[in-house]
Amino acid sequence: GAVVSQHPSWVICKSGTSVKIECRSLDFQATTMFWYRQFPKQSLMLMATSNEGSKATYEQGVEKDKFLINHASLTLSTLTVTSAHPEDSSFYICSAPTLGTGNGYTFGSGTRLTVV
Amino acid sequence: GEDVEQSLFLSVREGDSSVINCTYTDSSSTYLYWYKQEPGAGLQLLTYIFSNMDMKQDQRLTVLLNKKDKHLSLRIADTQTGDSAIYFCADFMDTGRRALTFGSGTRLQVQP
Repeated sequence: GAVVSQHPSWVICKSGTSVKIECRSLDFQATTMFWYRQFPKQSLMLMATSNEGSKATYEQGVEKDKFLINHASLTLSTLTVTSAHPEDSSFYICSAPTLGTGNGYTFGSGTRLTVV
Repeated sequence: GEDVEQSLFLSVREGDSSVINCTYTDSSSTYLYWYKQEPGAGLQLLTYIFSNMDMKQDQRLTVLLNKKDKHLSLRIADTQTGDSAIYFCADFMDTGRRALTFGSGTRLQVQP
């Protein structure tokens, strides 16, 4: 079945540094990728929608300059957390629609970011 | 905007049935999904139902949809300890940004 590979699975970084998270669709093309953020014991909140070859669409309240999204190819989307702060610590998950809506969306395994 | 709600916690004994409930607000939802999340992991699609269906059964899983009341449920028969996880319902509308809207998640605890 469809697989979305997300890396890294966890990362610890210092405040002020930037972290890049990658999501690759391994056996299908993903013209769209959704990026979610999940706080502990909470639901997934959609941050942005990345579109191959065009600018990402950000949800209200999400800083586009802080969370840079690039979707340079049909199989790769990246989220870069710039100038990270401890409040950016969270679980980030990407997702891509697969094989028609009824088959759902395939999710990456998530990246746990801890900013110290 | 769309709102999806779930109860936060459910505890059952091994072998019993579990029923996880979900309500949503937007009547234009076309698909409704159930996902399972184990600690520190991504989401695993369990099952889904199209909005014109009332019920769908897949092995131990039964999904019931009451479109009039905008109520969705997931029944897990013969619940096992390996079923302990967080279960999210999510809905999809075939308009706008076409992303899923998730409920808050229900933590299922299965006691041996």
